[in-house]
Amino acid sequence: NAGVTQTPKFQVLKTGQSMTLQCAQDMNHNSMYWYRQDPGMGLRLIYYSASEGTTDKGEVPNGYNVSRLNKREFSLRLESAAPSQTSVYFCASSGRGWETQYFGPGTRLLVL
Amino acid sequence: QQQVKQSPQSLIVQKGGISIINCAYENTAFDYFPWYQQFPGKGPALLIAIRPDVSEKKEGRFTISFNKSAKQFSLHIMDSQPGDSATYFCAASMNSGYSTLTFGKGTMLLVSP
Repeated sequence: NAGVTQTPKFQVLKTGQSMTLQCAQDMNHNSMYWYRQDPGMGLRLIYYSASEGTTDKGEVPNGYNVSRLNKREFSLRLESAAPSQTSVYFCASSGRGWETQYFGPGTRLLVL
Repeated sequence: QQQVKQSPQSLIVQKGGISIINCAYENTAFDYFPWYQQFPGKGPALLIAIRPDVSEKKEGRFTISFNKSAKQFSLHIMDSQPGDSATYFCAASMNSGYSTLTFGKGTMLLVSP
């Protein structure tokens, strides 16, 4: 079992470019999440999906969109990247209850 | 509004010593308090968690102490080892875990040999 996988591992974008971060889990989890991690700011929730077919905004949703493609996959899209979106992005999933979240290895994004 | 405040930001402990990280919360509806451990270049992973019906939970060298009246909880790492060097995040959620986690800002722990 791979757990939670994320692609790409690293990406450099120019301001205004768009991209989609991919996330997949093979644990048959219902809930999936996208976080960003910035130095000194901890983990901040961008969007989450409690179950297939639903998505909700988290603490910092502006500038992002998400798609819960199916039960396994949850993607994060930046339509017009900005330098303020330079960060490390983590995808996570959880099963019964929302308690234990399993995190992917992260995507490091640099926006120039 | 930061709902979970974590301190210190960074901590240096000698090998064999006790590492203590503290968190305070504001929302009395929180009823689940996990700690996550993150090594450099990796995603966070659940370390240990507690519910407010107990005041302490121990797993090996890791102990959570919980003070409901003070709205505080802490992580104690006994006999700290260099391999414990990582960033630690406290978190909290409501509704018996059926809600999103609110994370503290993290503590970078360095255990010196």
